[in-house]
Amino acid sequence: KAGVTQTPRYLIKTRGQQVTLSCSPISGHRSVSWYQQTPGQGLQFLFEYFSETQRNKGNFPGRFSGRQFSNSRSEMNVSTLELGDSALYLCASSLSGTGNPGANVLTFGAGSRLTVL
Amino acid sequence: SQQGEEDPQALSIQEGENATMNCSYKTSINNLQWYRQNSGRGLVHLILIRSNEREKHSGRLRVTLDTSKKSSSLLITASRAADTASYFCATVPGNTGKLIFGQGTTLQVKP
Repeated sequence: KAGVTQTPRYLIKTRGQQVTLSCSPISGHRSVSWYQQTPGQGLQFLFEYFSETQRNKGNFPGRFSGRQFSNSRSEMNVSTLELGDSALYLCASSLSGTGNPGANVLTFGAGSRLTVL
Repeated sequence: SQQGEEDPQALSIQEGENATMNCSYKTSINNLQWYRQNSGRGLVHLILIRSNEREKHSGRLRVTLDTSKKSSSLLITASRAADTASYFCATVPGNTGKLIFGQGTTLQVKP
């Protein structure tokens, strides 16, 4: 069974640019969550998608957006990049989502490391 | 603010010793999870303990949960160099539906 795949693994952008990150969940998993990890703030919840709908959202500005496709693959986009957006972006999938106490164990991808110059 | 807070932030021990890390949380939960992250990689789920459980074991891992104190502990027995990693607790606060992680404990096991 293939794991969670994130692409690209590493990328470098400059301020003002935008970036799109991709996540392919484990087959059969319908929920995809995104997290931002930085040394200062730790793991911050970005959003969760389930069946193509954003079900939960963290406290991030509107520059951060995402979507989920019918095959459960997900993308997140960050527009007008700032230096502070440099981080490891982690995607995780689960069967039915983090709100389901019986099935909210997450399987993480290896992450996409974004550097903003 | 974070739902979970780990203590200590960093821990350094010798191989063979036991490592204990603690997690405190703020609101009611259905379950609490522990994850491990090797440097710069994705997180790996270790164990889930439900709110009606007090202790759970998985191999060399022992997790306890005290809902009255809103705290949990993770014990790694007979540690190995390969256990060197960061360990995070995670909970879903109330009915938010968001799995929120603590700041983590960085464990170094010296050979």
